[in-house]
Amino acid sequence: QITLRESGPTLVKPTQTLTLTCTFSGFSLSTSGVGVAWIRQPPGKALEWLAHIYSNENQRHNPSLKSRLTVTKDTSKNQVVLTMTNMDPADTATYYCAHRPYDSFGSTFFDFWGQGTLVTVSS
Amino acid sequence: QSVLTQPPSASGTPGQRVSISCSGSNSNIGDNFVYWYQQFPGTAPRLLIYRNSQRPSGVPDRFSGSKSGTSASLAISGLRPEDEADYHCATWDDSLSSPVFGGGTKLTVL
Repeated sequence: QITLRESGPTLVKPTQTLTLTCTFSGFSLSTSGVGVAWIRQPPGKALEWLAHIYSNENQRHNPSLKSRLTVTKDTSKNQVVLTMTNMDPADTATYYCAHRPYDSFGSTFFDFWGQGTLVTVSS
Repeated sequence: QSVLTQPPSASGTPGQRVSISCSGSNSNIGDNFVYWYQQFPGTAPRLLIYRNSQRPSGVPDRFSGSKSGTSASLAISGLRPEDEADYHCATWDDSLSSPVFGGGTKLTVL
């Protein structure tokens, strides 16, 4: 059974750096084609993909946020860490991590999600 | 502004069939699979449909997906009160080289 759980601060100040950790179980990030993604959702708004990291260390980032995002993984701890710099009130959102399964067609989708963590950016 | 366009709301009465549309372009829906997620208030999205029309185990066959050209649809037949939720479409965008989502549709069961 695949589970994911996000952890990190619930409140950050503008210009600070946000660090969120996704701790998962039920799969290994050393399995080819598997990945973990970060997706956020501002209150009452749409889902927005941020980034994901694959088992082979390859990463993809949302082009509009690329310069602010870093994703790292610790395979031995079953964790993926998202770092987002220069936080702004517009970054207030629920942040989810999600499992990207291996797909024979090479498609990217997310079949298991964490419960999400609400991050508020305010001074 | 989302890359994929969905109606903000939809509604139906119990037992009815409702459809939710998702419109994109050649660089996204036109060239890639479409996925649908169901989200209840305060909870994480749940994968409902993958590869345009496939259902993960546990998803009732009342839910079906289809795609034609640069648009896709989610249909729910035999509508139930517990289907009241937000529904999001998603796909890959070749121009952006990233996954993209629709703005979400809030389904109300009257």
